[in-house]
Amino acid sequence: EDQVTQSPEALRLQEGESSSLNCSYTVSGLRGLFWYRQDPGKGPEFLFTLYSAGEEKEKERLKATLTKKESFLHITAPKPEDSATYLCGVGRQLGGGANNLFFGTGTRLTVIP
Amino acid sequence: NAGVTQTPKFRVLKTGQSMTLLCAQDMNHEYMYWYRQDPGMGLRLIHYSVGEGTTAKGEVPDGYNVSRLKKQNFLLGLESAAPSQTSVYFCASSYSWDSTDTQYFGPGTRLTVL
Repeated sequence: EDQVTQSPEALRLQEGESSSLNCSYTVSGLRGLFWYRQDPGKGPEFLFTLYSAGEEKEKERLKATLTKKESFLHITAPKPEDSATYLCGVGRQLGGGANNLFFGTGTRLTVIP
Repeated sequence: NAGVTQTPKFRVLKTGQSMTLLCAQDMNHEYMYWYRQDPGMGLRLIHYSVGEGTTAKGEVPDGYNVSRLKKQNFLLGLESAAPSQTSVYFCASSYSWDSTDTQYFGPGTRLTVL
């Protein structure tokens, strides 16, 4: 059975305190590992896509990495504006070539000034 | 370039009432999707479309119908709303299925069924 588990559920950091968010997955026929950021009352905002083990991508203070079983979202020297819920989704092929994103429940990050 | 827009933003229904949620995208995307987001469960796919005039069922399609009469629009209908359909609904679209496939989400519709 396909599963995506994100940990921790919630994380509080002091401004400047680096940390990592984890996404472990079990899925047949992986078509990409996607990270999104979601602010309260808003839709998910795309951050990264990773396709193969060993791949890494960076954007400002965020860096995403991928292994065969999990992905990490590293946050370096976070700022209060990084506070949000971070969603991890794995792509699964649907009919007609569409891609179903199967999401975890997210990690709610709070960065305290 | 507005991206993905959703109408309405909020709605309250009584059990048994019907309504239609509208999703529009201006990115010329082929693929469109409807998800629902519930506390503790993550986003789940309801229905999707791989092009104008096509629709297909996702993980949780029961109680919903969809239509894609125009490429830029994807409609989600509830014929007889139930309290279990209280949720936040997100529409997403993507250009294609290949390695550049990234789904872009709308701002959501918060639906409450009493």
